[in-house]
Amino acid sequence: NAGVMQNPRHLVRRRGQEARLRCSPMKGHSHVYWYRQLPEEGLKFMVYLQKENIIDESGMPKERFSAEFPKEGPSILRIQQVVRGDSAAYFCASSPGQPEAFFGQGTRLTVV
Amino acid sequence: GDSVTQMEGPVTLSEEAFLTINCTYTATGYPSLFWYVQYPGEGLQLLLKATKADDKGSNKGFEATYRKETTSFHLEKGSVQVSDSAVYFCALSPRSGGYQKVTFGTGTKLQVIP
Repeated sequence: NAGVMQNPRHLVRRRGQEARLRCSPMKGHSHVYWYRQLPEEGLKFMVYLQKENIIDESGMPKERFSAEFPKEGPSILRIQQVVRGDSAAYFCASSPGQPEAFFGQGTRLTVV
Repeated sequence: GDSVTQMEGPVTLSEEAFLTINCTYTATGYPSLFWYVQYPGEGLQLLLKATKADDKGSNKGFEATYRKETTSFHLEKGSVQVSDSAVYFCALSPRSGGYQKVTFGTGTKLQVIP
């Protein structure tokens, strides 16, 4: 059973471009969580999705950020018109529904 | 709201030294408590957990005991190795609600030198 797969591992974008981060959960997991880790900080919850539904997006900025988890395919975190402050590591975690989750290796976004 | 407080790092130890990383929490009810480890360039991996008071979680020589009276979950290891160099995160999950309610500490960086 493969772990949580995130890609790309590293992503460089110029200011104003769009960033798309992908997360394939573990087999059988229908819950996906996205976190952001700023340098020297802990993980901050962004959004929680189940298949085709956003359950909780209370940690996600209202503008420029969106997330989806379609019936088929990976979960996508999309950042439009990126700014330097979006530079961070973005982690995805998946869960079968219990209070425990498995993390991917993260996508390190650098905005130049 | 829930919160987790960890000792600040970095912590630098010589190989075979004793390790303690302090973690205290504030939460309503009886949360589950976790320690995660993040090796350089990697995601978080669950190291150990405890789900009720006085439980002891253990894995790879690391231990932590859920102390409700002191609201603490300190991480310990008797003899650290260079390969233990990583960032360690304490976290809590409330009884009710999903994983999105998990609160992470800010992490403690451990560096073990030969």
